[in-house]
Amino acid sequence: GAGVSQSPSNKVTEKGKDVELRCDPISGHTALYWYRQSLGQGLEFLIYFQGNSAPDKSGLPSDRFSAERTGGSVSTLTIQRTQQEDSAVYLCASSFSGANVLTFGAGSRLTVL
Amino acid sequence: GQSLEQPSEVTAVEGAIVQINCTYQTSGFYGLSWYQQHDGGAPTFLSYNGLDGLEETGRFSSFLSRSDSYGYLLLQELQMKDSASYFCAVLNTGNQFYFGTGTSLTVIP
Repeated sequence: GAGVSQSPSNKVTEKGKDVELRCDPISGHTALYWYRQSLGQGLEFLIYFQGNSAPDKSGLPSDRFSAERTGGSVSTLTIQRTQQEDSAVYLCASSFSGANVLTFGAGSRLTVL
Repeated sequence: GQSLEQPSEVTAVEGAIVQINCTYQTSGFYGLSWYQQHDGGAPTFLSYNGLDGLEETGRFSSFLSRSDSYGYLLLQELQMKDSASYFCAVLNTGNQFYFGTGTSLTVIP
């Protein structure tokens, strides 16, 4: 696609429910990143995929968070048993392998009640 | 681990010049990037420095000193539309990008 596409754009859920956030990167981009941005804060690194290599999961804050990337393209970030502190904007970005420029999606705003 | 420091807020007058500094600590440093984010929007790429020195792109310039672990973003001829948050980000040799907490720039008439 022309840009990085994320869905849903907004998600309101109840505490304890599971949520899935989707990212469709730019076609041909082999690198894909997930970040979390709390209100008025910086971007917190979550996970990084590069081609078919094992993902770098070092930024995932707890075992309630997981992500997968199917076929080297679409990625899904799953948050199990959501907590109120999970409320944030989840941003996905992609790039060509070895590139120094990230292209971000518009983000998925998650609100946990 | 990684850490980046930048001022939380800066205010400048339309037409003026403003400099946003960034100091960093990281292992396996590869380069320093700058991103702009308007309220409610996605971060967008502004510049990248892989080598020491100044990179100029129109009204925006970015500088890097690897020996000082320091860089800055220089915005000239400020316009109201430049009011946004600006993030520095280090790229390490593992192809990971780590972002600072951002600087909120307010341009006043």
